[in-house]
Amino acid sequence: GAVVSQHPSWVICKSGTSVKIECRSLDFQATTMFWYRQFPKQSLMLMATSNEGSKATYEQGVEKDKFLINHASLTLSTLTVTSAHPEDSSFYICSARDWGAGGNQPQHFGDGTRLSIL
Amino acid sequence: SQQGEEDPQALSIQEGENATMNCSYKTSINNLQWYRQNSGRGLVHLILIRSNEREKHSGRLRVTLDTSKKSSSLLITASRAADTASYFCATDGGGGGNKLTFGTGTQLKVEL
Repeated sequence: GAVVSQHPSWVICKSGTSVKIECRSLDFQATTMFWYRQFPKQSLMLMATSNEGSKATYEQGVEKDKFLINHASLTLSTLTVTSAHPEDSSFYICSARDWGAGGNQPQHFGDGTRLSIL
Repeated sequence: SQQGEEDPQALSIQEGENATMNCSYKTSINNLQWYRQNSGRGLVHLILIRSNEREKHSGRLRVTLDTSKKSSSLLITASRAADTASYFCATDGGGGGNKLTFGTGTQLKVEL
């Protein structure tokens, strides 16, 4: 089945550091990937839609200069949290959809990255 | 975008009992999906039901969809301790790259 790999799974770093999170589709091509943020015991909030070869589409209220997204290939999207501060601490999850499988397909999720900024 | 509502927010049952979770949403949909999330992990897809379908089964899972009421339910029969997790419904409106809008989630605890 479709597998999405997300790395790293856990990051602890000092305030002011930039952190890059990778999301890879391992056995399918993903022209579109999605980045979510999740606070403890809450639901997933979509941050942005990552489009291969073009600019990401950010949801309202998400700072594009803070959360840089690059989707340079059909199997890799990266999210960089720039100059991270404690309020950026959260659980970040990516997903991808196998467009080659046709319509009405689910999204496939990575295992998430827990980011802790000290 | 507004999220859907799920109820109950939390559910605690004994192993062997059935668990029912409900999801309501606000806009028209292409399909509705149910996902499971174990603590600290990503989401696992359970069932996708299209807008023109009313019921779908997968093993011990049964999903219903009522588009006139904009609601769906997930039934887990003969629950097991391993079913303990958070369950989310998500709606696909069909546009905008097929973005998903997630419900608030139900935390299910199945006790031995």
